[in-house]
Amino acid sequence: GESVGLHLPTLSVQEGDNSIINCAYSNSASDYFIWYKQESGKGPQFIIDIRSNMDKRQGQRVTVLLNKTVKHLSLQIAATQPGDSAVYFCAENPHAGNMLTFGGGTRLMVKP
Amino acid sequence: DTEVTQTPKHLVMGMTNKKSLKCEQHMGHRAMYWYKQKAKKPPELMFVYSYEKLSINESVPSRFSPECPNSSLLNLHLHALQPEDSALYLCASSQDQLGNSPLHFGNGTRLTVT
Repeated sequence: GESVGLHLPTLSVQEGDNSIINCAYSNSASDYFIWYKQESGKGPQFIIDIRSNMDKRQGQRVTVLLNKTVKHLSLQIAATQPGDSAVYFCAENPHAGNMLTFGGGTRLMVKP
Repeated sequence: DTEVTQTPKHLVMGMTNKKSLKCEQHMGHRAMYWYKQKAKKPPELMFVYSYEKLSINESVPSRFSPECPNSSLLNLHLHALQPEDSALYLCASSQDQLGNSPLHFGNGTRLTVT
């Protein structure tokens, strides 16, 4: 399944499928990007980050892709599990000084 | 469990009350942040402290007053709040504000202003 950020704020996938969450960022000067996961009643939890000199970075079951040409960031989650159900935010650092600006968020729902 | 601890978890206050939110981290981070998050919205930056000095104030009303007593602690003093200030207040820390490093968030204080 694939979302397009604010145009599709909820993504519903079957357990075991791969998920792709997209984010369009606004500032071409941004040089650092982070994906956060926020579960109900909790603060945002760091998932993975990427610097602007890279176009791909992999973690455990997650991959972040960065396309600076079109200012697009995506988070791929392999073999999605019920515990992955949460709201996912992308964040960019558009200024010097580590001041993150968050995107609108996408809710991921995993069907058993 | 998060390494950034926020207290209290929940707070209900009247518009004439004075209260404080507290945040603590022991990761040796030298930058600390306050964010505000309304329901179903992304977090919005309020304040940044770098090496215990206020470096960023994102045009936050003076009824919110931050304080950084030392490198591990960050407070947010609240006075004469409005009902629209009800939100989740998130504290975060990062290694420093000089380079790109991830922010580590606490679980927030859920504030209700009556």
